Formats: sequence, C-alpha cells, structure tokens
Amino acid sequence: AQRVTQPEKLLSVFKGAPVELKCNYSYSGSPELFWYVQYSRQRLQLLLRHISRESIKGFTADLNKGETSFHLKKPFAQEEDSAMYYCALRGGADGLTFGKGTHLIIQP
Amino acid sequence: ETGVTQSPTHLIKTRGQQVTLRCSSQSGHNTVSWYQQALGQGPQFIFQYYREEENGRGNFPPRFSGLQFPNYSSELNVNALELDDSALYLCASSFDRVNEKLFFGSGTQLSVL
Repeated sequence: AQRVTQPEKLLSVFKGAPVELKCNYSYSGSPELFWYVQYSRQRLQLLLRHISRESIKGFTADLNKGETSFHLKKPFAQEEDSAMYYCALRGGADGLTFGKGTHLIIQP
Repeated sequence: ETGVTQSPTHLIKTRGQQVTLRCSSQSGHNTVSWYQQALGQGPQFIFQYYREEENGRGNFPPRFSGLQFPNYSSELNVNALELDDSALYLCASSFDRVNEKLFFGSGTQLSVL
C-alpha cells in the first residue's frame, strides 16, 4: 500500500526565514511525487513535481529515494506563501495519494 | 479557457438517500478524477475516467459510481448515503490519463444528516 506522511499539521515561520515542509512516502516501486498548494479561497493547484526538477515561486523539492522523502524548501519565506500544502504520490495507474497537509503560516 | 466547474456547491442529504454531483472538465481535457476530502484530511482518490471509461479506482465501495460523457463532463453518484460520506468532493481534470498535472474544481460540500 502506498502512503504519504506530512508530520507537521501546522508550521509557522517569520517572513524572510527558511521554510521546509516535510513529506515522507511509502511505496515499493518508483513513485512520482508532487506538491499541491491551496491558497486562501482558491482551489487546489499544482506547485511542482519531482520529474520536472523545476523551481516554482522559489520553492524546490528533491526526491530522496534512500530516505523516501520529498521535502519542500524555500530559502526566504514570503507572506504570500501562507497556504495549505499537500504532498502527493502517484504509483502506477491509479490516482494520487495525498498526505493530510501542512498549514504554513508566514508571520510578518 | 474555462476551468473545472462543479455543481452544486453545497448539498444536504439524509442518510439512505442518493446523490449526484456534477463536474465540467477544463477545455481540452479528456480525463476526470474524483476525490473525497474529509475535514482535516487530504483528498482521497475515488476513481478516474478516461474517454468515458473507468480506468482506476481507489478504496471506495461500489455504491460510489460515476459516469463520463462524450463532452468529458462527469458525474459522481453515491447511493445509500451514510453519515461518514459527509465531505468535500473534488473533481479534477487533466490533459490525459497520465494526469501529471491535475486541475481541480472548487468542490461540492456534502452534508449527510
């Protein structure tokens, strides 16, 4: 069975501080990992995916197969980063398996 | 380009009733998937339709069923509603069944009393 764990329900950091949202997964094969974000009063949207190895809005995430992790990082947090972040995994042909999410609050 | 739209936005039903939720895919997308999001949880995959056929299903009982129409819009039907079915139901469309990037609707909030 595949599983995604986001250990922090809530993460609060000050503006300008580094941010790291943790994500660990359990899957026997080669997974595809994603980060989705939901800003206040907006719909869930894709932030980034590991296969693209891109940086979106200053965020990056590296897939670490040894530690089965896909942590989301940003060196300097901005107030507009406040949102709900979901890590998701796709293994095989089925849909995405989401974690429970981390609510990120950036304090001024 | 229109986004994913869902109707209704809110719905209240009683236990044992049946409900139909509707979704219009984003223009150009031929794949639609449905997710259930309970309060405080992440979305949970129900099933996916590609070109009018179900091609993936999560751990949901058969009383959860769906349809996809030739215009790629979709319905989610739930029979014999239970209290635990109360949740936000999200529809997502994608360009193809590989669904690397999902475009989500705003959801339908279902309350079962």
